[in-house]
Amino acid sequence: GAVVSQHPSWVICKSGTSVKIECRSLDFQATTMFWYRQFPKQSLMLMATSNEGSKATYEQGVEKDKFLINHASLTLSTLTVTSAHPEDSSFYICSARDEDITYEQYFGPGTRLTVT
Amino acid sequence: GDSVTQMEGPVTLSEEAFLTINCTYTATGYPSLFWYVQYPGEGLQLLLKATKADDKGSNKGFEATYRKETTSFHLEKGSVQVSDSAVYFCALSDRGGGGNKLTFGTGTQLKVEL
Repeated sequence: GAVVSQHPSWVICKSGTSVKIECRSLDFQATTMFWYRQFPKQSLMLMATSNEGSKATYEQGVEKDKFLINHASLTLSTLTVTSAHPEDSSFYICSARDEDITYEQYFGPGTRLTVT
Repeated sequence: GDSVTQMEGPVTLSEEAFLTINCTYTATGYPSLFWYVQYPGEGLQLLLKATKADDKGSNKGFEATYRKETTSFHLEKGSVQVSDSAVYFCALSDRGGGGNKLTFGTGTQLKVEL
């Protein structure tokens, strides 16, 4: 079946530094990937839609200069949290859309970011 | 805007018990409805879906019926197993299939004990 990986699975960084999270579709190509954020005991909130070869579309209230998204190829999207602060600590989840067969989203296992 | 409300967990059941996880939604138009399951250490997986009123989605013994009159999509299983222990998310898409923007509920953790 369709598999999506994320790297790293967890990361700790110091306040003010930047951290990059990778999302890869392993056995299918994805023109479109999605980035979600999940707070404890809360639902997944869509942050942005990542489109291969074009700029990402951000949801209302998401700072595009803080959460940089680059969809460099049909199998890779990256989310860079710039100048991270403790309030950015969260669980970040990506998904990739299979546009050839099922048109469903397939989710990665998530990345736990802790900013100290 | 669109929203999904599902019952809080954790829900703890004995093996072979009957499961119901309630989910209600608010949306304009005619959304598609989904249940996703997340096993420990893994990504969310689509469990079942329904795209129009009165449709019943089913998979692995789980069922949910799209009830437009009560704006609900409750998840049920007649006899749960320990292997069903996971977090279950109800979700909707206002633009057709699950490949579009999804609005999620908060998730319900299910623990099944022997």
